[in-house]
Amino acid sequence: GAVVSQHPSWVICKSGTSVKIECRSLDFQATTMFWYRQFPKQSLMLMATSNEGSKATYEQGVEKDKFLINHASLTLSTLTVTSAHPEDSSFYICSAARTEQETQYFGPGTRLLVL
Amino acid sequence: AQRVTQPEKLLSVFKGAPVELKCNYSYSGSPELFWYVQYSRQRLQLLLRHISRESIKGFTADLNKGETSFHLKKPFAQEEDSAMYYCALNDRGGSQGNLIFGKGTKLSVKP
Repeated sequence: GAVVSQHPSWVICKSGTSVKIECRSLDFQATTMFWYRQFPKQSLMLMATSNEGSKATYEQGVEKDKFLINHASLTLSTLTVTSAHPEDSSFYICSAARTEQETQYFGPGTRLLVL
Repeated sequence: AQRVTQPEKLLSVFKGAPVELKCNYSYSGSPELFWYVQYSRQRLQLLLRHISRESIKGFTADLNKGETSFHLKKPFAQEEDSAMYYCALNDRGGSQGNLIFGKGTKLSVKP
């Protein structure tokens, strides 16, 4: 159990367009989901924490209007990169936890390339 | 500021040799430390957490508050242990579940 999926696994888009990434907990209900970003040869950096039914909590330096997060159900959270630019190209990883105290289960990641 | 340091980008050992992946942290409170592993073409997954004091796949890690370290050890490395290992710290004072990751160490176990 505790499988997390992400869709799409990779996406290429033009500069200025918006891209939506889905994160789903397939076999459990996730009260909390997390979004991370990983640049090449760098560590995972937490972008935001989302709790089902409430607004996401963004880490310092992460633009709320740029990275829209919605956690509308206990099994789905979405990250929308609005007006994407080449510098937004990165590997985006989500994780989900049953509760804030429990283990995070990671998705396989989504590679975004903005041309 | 909280920080997790993994000084080695790459660690290469022969099968059967002992392995130690280093992790040091800086945190003023009571940290919760984890080791995550990512095998080739697979997702990140939890290997072990210090509060469990368990051994997973032969790996152990002891939290040393005096040295602010949480090194991952295995007495006899196996080829299937080859993977990327990330040390992480749970900042309980921050947002819920805030995991701060190190940059990772790639372990290569040669036959």
